[in-house]
Amino acid sequence: RKEVEQDPGPFNVPEGATVAFNCTYSNSASQSFFWYRQDCRKEPKLLMSVYSSGNEDGRFTAQLNRASQYISLLIRDSKLSDSATYLCVVNNRVDSSYKLIFGSGTRLLVRP
Amino acid sequence: NAGVTQTPKFRVLKTGQSMTLLCAQDMNHEYMYWYRQDPGMGLRLIHYSVGEGTTAKGEVPDGYNVSRLKKQNFLLGLESAAPSQTSVYFCASSDRDRGGDTQYFGPGTRLTVL
Repeated sequence: RKEVEQDPGPFNVPEGATVAFNCTYSNSASQSFFWYRQDCRKEPKLLMSVYSSGNEDGRFTAQLNRASQYISLLIRDSKLSDSATYLCVVNNRVDSSYKLIFGSGTRLLVRP
Repeated sequence: NAGVTQTPKFRVLKTGQSMTLLCAQDMNHEYMYWYRQDPGMGLRLIHYSVGEGTTAKGEVPDGYNVSRLKKQNFLLGLESAAPSQTSVYFCASSDRDRGGDTQYFGPGTRLTVL
């Protein structure tokens, strides 16, 4: 079983739609959680951190459910520029350092 | 600030050849990482470093070596390239004081081994 699992998609939605992605993780001791965005043939970039209380950044809302070990990302009013792959990322402490575990990503296509 | 830079951007090798990928960061970060990204696999950690002069193995270290002689540089070496090492390689760095939370990635190196 992968440590971080995501639906690969693609999610194909019209502009203005609301779309949600989920991600599950296997390590109950995971310390912190993130969504990264990766454009085609580019490097991953941090989109937002995910806090236990939930957090919102403009059209993006992230939620964490520790009991069920899943993370979600909601995108409202989708734009063409939101088309990308969204990576769910978990930070696990290992000895005195930290390691990010990346999901394989969910691809989003926003059509006109 | 340039952030994280990687050289080269592209490379084609023949099986058995060797090469070194260079990563440099100008953010004074303690932690540095090398990942590979393959279709459907997500990013997988090859080696990482928690400070100058230190290195450690990640999830898929076999066939690779690394060195961190200077804080700002992290080198990834392939001693004898194999077709299975065809991949996109990303270097990243992060701030120790934030627990390594946010990683900043370089633009990647696309390597093909024939």
